[in-house]
Amino acid sequence: DVVMTQSPLSLPVTLGQPASISCRSSQSLVYSDGNTYLNWFQQRPGQSPRRLIYKVSNRDSGVPDRFSGSGSGTDFTLKISRVEAEDVGVYYCMQGTHWPQSFGQGTKLEIK
Amino acid sequence: QVHLQESGPGLVKPSETLSLTCTVSGGSISGYFWSWVRQPAGKGLELIGRIYTSGSTNYNPSLKSRVTMSVDTSKDQFSLQLSSVTAADTAVYYCARGVALDYWGQGTLVTVSS
Repeated sequence: DVVMTQSPLSLPVTLGQPASISCRSSQSLVYSDGNTYLNWFQQRPGQSPRRLIYKVSNRDSGVPDRFSGSGSGTDFTLKISRVEAEDVGVYYCMQGTHWPQSFGQGTKLEIK
Repeated sequence: QVHLQESGPGLVKPSETLSLTCTVSGGSISGYFWSWVRQPAGKGLELIGRIYTSGSTNYNPSLKSRVTMSVDTSKDQFSLQLSSVTAADTAVYYCARGVALDYWGQGTLVTVSS
């Protein structure tokens, strides 16, 4: 199985400051069709996960443009340009290239 | 807006079968994969498996021997059965749309206890 490793696991951030989460996969996530199926999810306290980013860098509808995704191969990053209070929660990366699809351990973002 | 709603017993006895249904509204169930994901309290997300509207399934190998999924397009529903449950299967169970999980249900807590 593909192992997804996120860092850091805990991320205290001051309001208005940037934040960055790394996600590394144990195998390349480039699929045979040329696409890279790496997604990012946000899970606010007490809520279901919500997809933010699909195929590395595509923001879902309604996701603020302060969220951005980048990366390639086995190394990916989610960035928040200016953290707001509503961004508190746990962030997961997930690969959809190899079966079974697998999630990272999660990164807990909190406000300092 | 697509809406997913899980339903089923919140308490299941050890060794018995967990059964959940997900009802889809606001969009067609046809032409998509439909997935089940679970999350033990305070822990991360685990994909259980997925089913296409044709009935084709993919199960996580870690659970494959105990999982059965089905779909009823006439009712816009798909279902999960997990057999021989233990306390380790206690979790919030989510249904979600597609391979890339773009829509999620609110989740339902299933506790395995006698």
